[in-house]
Amino acid sequence: QVQLVESGGGVVQPGRSLRLSCVASGYPFRNYGMHWVRQAPGKGLEWVADIWHDGSKEYYADSVRGRFTISRDDSKTTLYLQMNSLRDEDTAVYYCARDYSYGSKDFRGQGTPVTVSS
Amino acid sequence: QSALTQPRSVSESPGQSVAISCTGTSSDVGGYNYVSWYQQHPGKAPKLVIYDVTKRPSGVPDRFSGAKSDNTASLIISGLQIEDEADYYCSSFAGGPVVFGGGTKLTVL
Repeated sequence: QVQLVESGGGVVQPGRSLRLSCVASGYPFRNYGMHWVRQAPGKGLEWVADIWHDGSKEYYADSVRGRFTISRDDSKTTLYLQMNSLRDEDTAVYYCARDYSYGSKDFRGQGTPVTVSS
Repeated sequence: QSALTQPRSVSESPGQSVAISCTGTSSDVGGYNYVSWYQQHPGKAPKLVIYDVTKRPSGVPDRFSGAKSDNTASLIISGLQIEDEADYYCSSFAGGPVVFGGGTKLTVL
């Protein structure tokens, strides 16, 4: 069955960096686009970024563009999110999701929490 | 990238039907037939219940359906059950980026 396992979250000071990983299994990873979505404590879902199945295109939310970078390693069936210049408002649970169809997201993991605090 | 507009909360009785609206613009909801809906119970990851406006992933009951008219999409849940009580989010493809709604808390009382 489809599984997505996120990792790499933790507590980090403002201005520092963190890299999240998402290991996929149970489906042909290289055939699917992937997304990162986050949810701040007590708040709604916020789309962060996505990458096409072949890695040829990436899109970012205005709130993270220029600071975050999404990437993938098909040989390791792993999705990444490099987060630089972290801010307090980046505190959230970060989920990776498989693209089901033009932006529809298939969530199969439990997320990884990121706390930005001094 | 403005968020889609959803009602903050709706409530209905078990066995009844409820519709949750999601309003966007011609750049997202109105411009593409790629609206999706997610159910999220407290402390759990979101679950896809509708994609491409009207399609249901396997395993989602046919009590869940979707529709769209112009810039507004709707999630309709019929024959409400207690376990349908959850937060519901809409999302739309926007030509590359993706946008979410603010979420609607459904209470089944």
